[in-house]
Amino acid sequence: GQQVMQIPQYQHVQEGEDFTTYCNSSTTLSNIQWYKQRPGGHPVFLIQLVKSGEVKKQKRLTFQFGEAKKNSSLHITATQTTDVGTYFCAGGGQAGTALIFGKGTTLSVSS
Amino acid sequence: EAGVVQSPRYKIIEKKQPVAFWCNPISGHNTLYWYLQNLGQGPELLIRYENEEAVDDSQLPKDRFSAERLKGVDSTLKIQPAELGDSAVYLCASSLSGDDNEQFFGPGTRLTVL
Repeated sequence: GQQVMQIPQYQHVQEGEDFTTYCNSSTTLSNIQWYKQRPGGHPVFLIQLVKSGEVKKQKRLTFQFGEAKKNSSLHITATQTTDVGTYFCAGGGQAGTALIFGKGTTLSVSS
Repeated sequence: EAGVVQSPRYKIIEKKQPVAFWCNPISGHNTLYWYLQNLGQGPELLIRYENEEAVDDSQLPKDRFSAERLKGVDSTLKIQPAELGDSAVYLCASSLSGDDNEQFFGPGTRLTVL
């Protein structure tokens, strides 16, 4: 079945450094969504990518969807302590199938 | 506008006991999801409803888990009997119709089975 893998599992950075998490699917995706979960909180939607090669930006966050629609990345420029949390990608398969969440990348930031 | 509401927030029970979780989705959201989240893992889908119909329950352990969404709004997830391995956070989420829309998650119910 469809699997969504994320790397790295954990990442620690100094405040101001950049951060990237990668998401790979075993199958072609219809769309990919990214969520952020703060410690003790629940997942919160960040963005959805649908088109092959799509790139979207939200302030310091840049999201990319691969040309083959099997991988995606989230890049944070100049991390801040407020970026702390776990970032999940979730891949959508064929129509009618549910999103499959990756295991997430947990980001810690020290000031 | 209120978000997804779940209760209780925490539940501690002895193994073999029954437990139920309740979810009230965002008004107007026809799709409702129940997820299980273990520590250090992503949410794993248990069941998805479109209105009152369960359209995906392939990952629901039907020998002990059951769910209902009788009027297409609120939903209840039940475990009977609970096992030690059921300890986890149970998340409810809702979205507009369809499986490709942004999902709004509730705060979750943290279940501890002793």
